[in-house]
Amino acid sequence: GAGVSQSPSNKVTEKGKDVELRCDPISGHTALYWYRQSLGQGLEFLIYFQGNSAPDKSGLPSDRFSAERTGGSVSTLTIQRTQQEDSAVYLCASSGLDRSAQHFGDGTRLSIL
Amino acid sequence: AQSVTQPDIHITVSEGASLELRCNYSYGATPYLFWYVQSPGQGLQLLLKYFSGDTLVQGIKGFEAEFKRSQSSFNLRKPSVHWSDAAEYFCAVGGTLDDKIIFGKGTRLHILP
Repeated sequence: GAGVSQSPSNKVTEKGKDVELRCDPISGHTALYWYRQSLGQGLEFLIYFQGNSAPDKSGLPSDRFSAERTGGSVSTLTIQRTQQEDSAVYLCASSGLDRSAQHFGDGTRLSIL
Repeated sequence: AQSVTQPDIHITVSEGASLELRCNYSYGATPYLFWYVQSPGQGLQLLLKYFSGDTLVQGIKGFEAEFKRSQSSFNLRKPSVHWSDAAEYFCAVGGTLDDKIIFGKGTRLHILP
């Protein structure tokens, strides 16, 4: 597709379950970013990929959060043993040579019951 | 440490009126500065960015922003707002093209008919 695609768009799950969120960046974009947006808060940086490697994982809030990227394309953000405070919108962005121009997906709204 | 402050959580203006959204940043070196807009249920769209040069930056949708180093500010302006401008606006700062971008908490803009 033409833009960044995220799936699912909505996810409701029970506390303690694991979830996987997917991001399909714009074709050819080498940089990929994950952010978390909670109600009334700005965007919280989680992790950044350049190709398949993650030079900056500093934003991951706990060891329950992990992310990977394969083939320099699709990325998966995994949250293990979900907690209610994990409820948020998770946004993915990608960028090409102009790394400042991040293109955002529409996000995954995660609700933990 | 990098930080971005958007002092106004909500702003309401009448359609056709002028608009200024405030943004102050803290950064140890020359920053890269951005304004993004987010419509409900959607990801973020880049309005404009400042790297260097002319401190008055023109963006899409008739927006502009002025970088004032002495005031550590990067305020967003529009001479005449339209109802379609109702959205949430985020100011952001980054250090280099490889750096993560730090977002403010956003300003929600409401437009009165």
